[in-house]
Amino acid sequence: AQRVTQPEKLLSVFKGAPVELKCNYSYSGSPELFWYVQYSRQRLQLLLRHISRESIKGFTADLNKGETSFHLKKPFAQEEDSAMYYCALSFYNQGGKLIFGQGTELSVKP
Amino acid sequence: DGGITQSPKYLFRKEGQNVTLSCEQNLNHDAMYWYRQDPGQGLRLIYYSQIVNDFQKGDIAEGYSVSREKKESFPLTVTSAQKNPTAFYLCASSMPGPSRGELFFGEGSRLTVL
Repeated sequence: AQRVTQPEKLLSVFKGAPVELKCNYSYSGSPELFWYVQYSRQRLQLLLRHISRESIKGFTADLNKGETSFHLKKPFAQEEDSAMYYCALSFYNQGGKLIFGQGTELSVKP
Repeated sequence: DGGITQSPKYLFRKEGQNVTLSCEQNLNHDAMYWYRQDPGQGLRLIYYSQIVNDFQKGDIAEGYSVSREKKESFPLTVTSAQKNPTAFYLCASSMPGPSRGELFFGEGSRLTVL
């Protein structure tokens, strides 16, 4: 079955600490993966996508096909990073279907 | 001001009634989506549409219906057959090609069944 799993509902760190939000996927085809973020009182928005291999707001994510993972990392967390983060998987052979994980709430304490 | 507009923001319904949630976009996007957001379950796909007059069921389509008569509009009807309709509903749109996978979301509609 096609599935995206985010094992942590809540991740709490102190400012300046490294952050890793975990994402594992289950898909037999060639995956396209994304991270979305929802800040308080804002709309859900795209943070980054694996094909871009870019760093956004200090966050990076590497696709590991062997481990079927796409973990989101940041070396030094900031208070403004506190938000809800969703990992998402796209199926372009199914007309652009996009499914999301359960989400991880990141809380960065001062 | 371009974007996606969902209405109403809050909706109350009695059991047994159908209700329609509106989603309009002026981004000229081809694809539109409906998701349901429940605490601890993330976003679950209800229906999606890649082009006008065509749509596909998502993972939890039972008890819901949609139409896509215009590119700009993708209304969702929550029918009385939906067993647990109280939820937060999100509409989104996207373009095909290199920007695929980048969904633009509305502010959401919260439906409460009394």
